[in-house]
Amino acid sequence: KNQVEQSPQSLIILEGKNCTLQCNYTVSPFSNLRWYKQDTGRGPVSLTIMTFSENTKSNGRYTATLDADTKQSSLHITASQLSDSASYICVVSDRGSTLGRLYFGRGTQLTVWP
Amino acid sequence: EADIYQTPRYLVIGTGKKITLECSQTMGHDKMYWYQQDPGMELHLIHYSYGVNSTEKGDLSSESTVSRIRTEHFPLTLESARPSHTSQYLCASSVAGEGAVSGANVLTFGAGSRLTVL
Repeated sequence: KNQVEQSPQSLIILEGKNCTLQCNYTVSPFSNLRWYKQDTGRGPVSLTIMTFSENTKSNGRYTATLDADTKQSSLHITASQLSDSASYICVVSDRGSTLGRLYFGRGTQLTVWP
Repeated sequence: EADIYQTPRYLVIGTGKKITLECSQTMGHDKMYWYQQDPGMELHLIHYSYGVNSTEKGDLSSESTVSRIRTEHFPLTLESARPSHTSQYLCASSVAGEGAVSGANVLTFGAGSRLTVL
């Protein structure tokens, strides 16, 4: 069964600290993996998209890693800011169809305290 | 500015009412989607469209219906709302095409419509 599991479910950190969010997946055949940020009451916004051949991709203070062999990804946030408080969703796409079916994780709820 | 718009943002209605959630995008995307999201849960695809006059049901069974008469417009309708329909509804769009490298299927989401049925 194709699944995407994220951990931790929620996380509280102090402003300025770093944190790492985890995503494990069983989706096969794998096409790509995306990380989205969803602010409360808003729609998700894409942070990164990684294909099979990519190990690391950065977007400002966000760095995503992908290990396609172990089917794991992480999102590292450096020097956190209050505006980083949001849900971070891992989404994996398969290659089983033209549409590229998307499998969503339940997200990690990050809260950054001053 | 190219974007995707959803209205209303919040809607509270009584059981049995007919409602339409509007979704419009100005990016010229061929593919459009409706997702349902409950608190702490993953997004579930309820409808999608490849283009004008094309609509398909998604993975999660829904009593709602959709239409795609114009490329930019993808409204969702509930003929008779029930409390079980209470949820957040997210509209999204993406460019047509195949393959991960091209970036196809990277979704742009609207801000969502939060529906509460009493």
